[in-house]
Amino acid sequence: DTGVSQDPRHKITKRGQNVTFRCDPISEHNRLYWYRQTLGQGPEFLTYFQNEAQLEKSRLLSDRFSAERPKGSFSTLEIQRTEQGDSAMYLCASASRWAGQDGYTFGSGTRLTVV
Amino acid sequence: QKEVEQDPGPLSVPEGAIVSLNCTYSNSAFQYFMWYRQYSRKGPELLMYTYSSGNKEDGRFTAQVDKSSKYISLFIRDSQPSDSATYLCAMTIIQGAQKLVFGQGTRLTINP
Repeated sequence: DTGVSQDPRHKITKRGQNVTFRCDPISEHNRLYWYRQTLGQGPEFLTYFQNEAQLEKSRLLSDRFSAERPKGSFSTLEIQRTEQGDSAMYLCASASRWAGQDGYTFGSGTRLTVV
Repeated sequence: QKEVEQDPGPLSVPEGAIVSLNCTYSNSAFQYFMWYRQYSRKGPELLMYTYSSGNKEDGRFTAQVDKSSKYISLFIRDSQPSDSATYLCAMTIIQGAQKLVFGQGTRLTINP
């Protein structure tokens, strides 16, 4: 397994456009997380999936954000009507059943720039 | 006030020095503590994790947790230029989503 893959690595979009990011977790991991990281800050939790079920969402996840994980495999994060404040690194992480045992494996992230 | 506080630095030390990185936290429910290393434009990489008070050693790295003081540390011995990165502390509770709460990150530079 090559770890957590995220696509695209970079995305530049105009304000108001919709964007979608993809995350492919480690295959045997049933926990999947999305985080957002702005410059000079630590990652902040956005949402959590256990298999295909989205079990928790942060207050940071406004109505313009939606995430899915069909069939409990890959996940997508969509941002509608992007705003400049959405510019950030979007990180995906996956973990085994007991996340605390092995920690989380993060992808390299998708860097979003809204112009 | 943030749940996890970490001095953002930057911290610059000469090669071979011992580096001490620290975080404090306010939520006594945190049970698992981790240190991640993040290189520029990369995702965080897990360095160490621990769940009990005391020390845990792995090569040149030692993680220390003091739950009574709500204080965790990471020590790097014989620091190398390749250790130059941002170091993030993170913690979580065992129940539910087990989501990580991160510190701000400390930017570390090891000078040859």
